[in-house]
Amino acid sequence: EIVMTQSPATLSVSPGERATLSCRASQSVSSNLAWYQQKPGQAPRLLIYGASTRATGIPARFSGSGSGTEFTLTISSLQSEDFAVYYCQQYNNWPSFGQGTKVEIK
Amino acid sequence: QVQLVQSGAEVKKPGASVKVSCKASGYTFTSYGISWVRQAPGQGLEWMGWISAYNGNTNYAQKLQGRVTMTTDTSTSTAYMELRSLRSDDTAVYYCAETLSSPLGWFDPWGQGTLVTVSS
Repeated sequence: EIVMTQSPATLSVSPGERATLSCRASQSVSSNLAWYQQKPGQAPRLLIYGASTRATGIPARFSGSGSGTEFTLTISSLQSEDFAVYYCQQYNNWPSFGQGTKVEIK
Repeated sequence: QVQLVQSGAEVKKPGASVKVSCKASGYTFTSYGISWVRQAPGQGLEWMGWISAYNGNTNYAQKLQGRVTMTTDTSTSTAYMELRSLRSDDTAVYYCAETLSSPLGWFDPWGQGTLVTVSS
């Protein structure tokens, strides 16, 4: 099983600031990496797949980068609706998720 | 637009079974697969398995092998997930999600979730 580790667990950011979230895989997953946003009481929403391709309708302030074992999700200028929990997921092997990063208002 | 609508919340006793449905609309059901993901209260996401809506092939997470069965009804574009021998740690929100025609893919979109509570 590929273990996904996200850091930090919680990120405190002011609106308008940049947020950088990290995800590390226990072995290479190539570019087979997705990012999701989940708000309280809602299902997750796909943001990024293929490590860097934005899903349909996702604003350009969300960007993904990385390959192999190290990945980053960047939110260039946080809006009020971006405060949520973010998960990474690998699909190079049987799918597995990171434990999540909560982005909260500073 | 693509939409997945799941069945309602369930309360079950330990040892019982639960069957959750996921009705798809807005796309050709048999062109994709359906994955199931669960989330225990306050916890992260756990992949449970995948079924091809084209031919019914399945892949299950190893920890659930023998307790979970995923099926589809192509006549109604509905996927089902049955979990047997329920335990308290099966209490979770269960989600279905559209997946590529392979278990190795991303999940988009997701159903609204079904809360399954296991309690005596």
